[in-house]
Amino acid sequence: DIQMTQSPSSLSASVGDRVTITCRASQSISSYVNWYQQKPGEAPKLLIYVASRLQSGVPSRFSGSGSGTDFTLTISSLQPEDLATYYCQQSYSTPRYTFGQGTRLEIK
Amino acid sequence: QVQLVQSGAEVKKPGASVKISCKASGYAFTDFFVHWVRQAPGQGLAWMGVINPLGGTTTYAREFQGRVTMTRDTSTSTVYLELTSLTPEDTAVYYCARKGGYDGSGWDLSAFDIWAQGTLVTVSS
Repeated sequence: DIQMTQSPSSLSASVGDRVTITCRASQSISSYVNWYQQKPGEAPKLLIYVASRLQSGVPSRFSGSGSGTDFTLTISSLQPEDLATYYCQQSYSTPRYTFGQGTRLEIK
Repeated sequence: QVQLVQSGAEVKKPGASVKISCKASGYAFTDFFVHWVRQAPGQGLAWMGVINPLGGTTTYAREFQGRVTMTRDTSTSTVYLELTSLTPEDTAVYYCARKGGYDGSGWDLSAFDIWAQGTLVTVSS
């Protein structure tokens, strides 16, 4: 099975900061990575699919990049409402869409 | 609007089974695969399996094989997750989610674009 490893597991940043979360796959998965945001007490929400495509309605401060085994999610200017846990997911070994362990983002 | 709505919270004793429903509305039910994901308290997301509502074919994660069954009822646009031989380690929020189709540019979303609200299953003696 393909393993997805996120780093860091948690981070704290200030409003306006640029934040980057990374995800590494255990084998090459082309661009088949998705990113989700999960706010406390809510279901996950799709942010980015196929590594870099922004889901409809998601603010443009979110962006994704990468291919092969290394991927990043970037928030260009952190906002208070971005407090959440972020998950990467591989969709290469369809239909087994496994997730990373999550990155908890706190606002300083 | 496009949505998935799950059944309510459940409390079960160890060794029992649970069956959760996930009702789809606002889109063509048989056109989109439905996945199940669970989240134990304070933990991450774990993919459990998927069902194709068109033919009913399923694929399950290895760790749940033998204990999980996913079914669908096309007359009510509902998919079901049944998990047997419950233990306290199965205490979690269970989500159904739709795998998206193609976006306006022709890209396969290959991701879960619609999620239900989740169902808390508590297993305790």
